[in-house]
Amino acid sequence: DTAVSQTPKYLVTQMGNDKSIKCEQNLGHDTMYWYKQDSKKFLKIMFSYNNKELIINETVPNRFSPKSPDKAHLNLHINSLELGDSAVYFCASSQVPASYEQYFGPGTRLTVT
Amino acid sequence: QQQVKQSPQSLIVQKGGISIINCAYENTAFDYFPWYQQFPGKGPALLIAIRPDVSEKKEGRFTISFNKSAKQFSLHIMDSQPGDSATYFCAARGTSNTGKLIFGQGTTLQVKP
Repeated sequence: DTAVSQTPKYLVTQMGNDKSIKCEQNLGHDTMYWYKQDSKKFLKIMFSYNNKELIINETVPNRFSPKSPDKAHLNLHINSLELGDSAVYFCASSQVPASYEQYFGPGTRLTVT
Repeated sequence: QQQVKQSPQSLIVQKGGISIINCAYENTAFDYFPWYQQFPGKGPALLIAIRPDVSEKKEGRFTISFNKSAKQFSLHIMDSQPGDSATYFCAARGTSNTGKLIFGQGTTLQVKP
């Protein structure tokens, strides 16, 4: 009965490759997010979708492309991976946009070699 | 620029002691101040939150103190337990309709038995 799930949990790949991370929530929430947590644990929002519509698009390289096929799913595709993309990526959801109460997934640790 | 500054970066407390984590913000366009707790290998989870018109909020052993004029707020963990060992993030929610969360840099707390 996992609330927010992500796959894969670990992702090791080489520079230049393209990879995707998938996220699903079963909370019935309207809003989903992608966050990046760097090696110093700093947590920063990347994107947010509300009911499949993009509502937050932070200053992120356009190699990162989110996609929301429905309001329960939010995927993150990354093209031409770079060393600096190595981080933990968290998916989160909230009942409505602009909610301070967000439910985070377990994270995907991406390592680019 | 919207920023939330958090200190200390790390904290060691003896079991039964009081853990205090401080945050300061620079922008008044925030309307909620949540705290998140993150255990190793897990996603952050909401711990407690406060509105700026409230000076203190207590939930069990966790208390937020808020000083609006100083633009500072802090988390106090009373009777700290080894199970409280985690990384704590303060955050601030923007007042725009997207209401994105701006996180502090995190504090790694270790409670020694």
